[in-house]
Amino acid sequence: EPEVTQTPSHQVTQMGQEVILRCVPISNHLYFYWYRQILGQKVEFLVSFYNNEISEKSEIFDDQFSVERPDGSNFTLKIRSTKLEDSAMYFCASEKGAEETQYFGPGTRLLVL
Amino acid sequence: AQKITQTQPGMFVQEKEAVTLDCTYDTSDPSYGLFWYKQPSSGEMIFLIYQGSYDQQNATEGRYSLNFQKARKSANLVISASQLGDSAMYFCAMREGSDYKLSFGAGTTVTVRA
Repeated sequence: EPEVTQTPSHQVTQMGQEVILRCVPISNHLYFYWYRQILGQKVEFLVSFYNNEISEKSEIFDDQFSVERPDGSNFTLKIRSTKLEDSAMYFCASEKGAEETQYFGPGTRLLVL
Repeated sequence: AQKITQTQPGMFVQEKEAVTLDCTYDTSDPSYGLFWYKQPSSGEMIFLIYQGSYDQQNATEGRYSLNFQKARKSANLVISASQLGDSAMYFCAMREGSDYKLSFGAGTTVTVRA
């Protein structure tokens, strides 16, 4: 069964460093998302992406964040200058069409020191 | 205001018994979808079941069923015949109208006892 994959599974970085989180959505899916979950808290929406552009973003998704689909398979989230409060689990999700079910990847656990 | 409310932070259930996880939602949009996801201790988010606001029947997927009460704005998840592998955090989520994003509740931790 096709699934969303994410790399790396864990990342430790120093405050102020740039990180790139990678996702490979399910191949015939057209809508892509990033969510994050700070330890012990609820899952929060960051950004949605469709047709090679951002379709919606939350107030969390400030200028430090960017997304890209550099080729036909990868979907990346870049955090330009990480802060301590960026430590969280980051989930990528994809869905086939609008208003369908979003399937989540296994997450990348990011720790900023 | 919270869009999704899950009032039970944690629940214990005996193996082979059923458990109901509460979820209430708040929206003024007549078109919406409700989702339940399971998050085991390993961290991944696993889709369980979906209910659309216009669906006439309650959704079912194997041992999972959704008790959808539209007038009360509730979408409770029922897990029947609990198994040890059901021990996890369960999240209720909603998508409103033509919105792309999911809004999640705080989650309920279920612990299945042998």
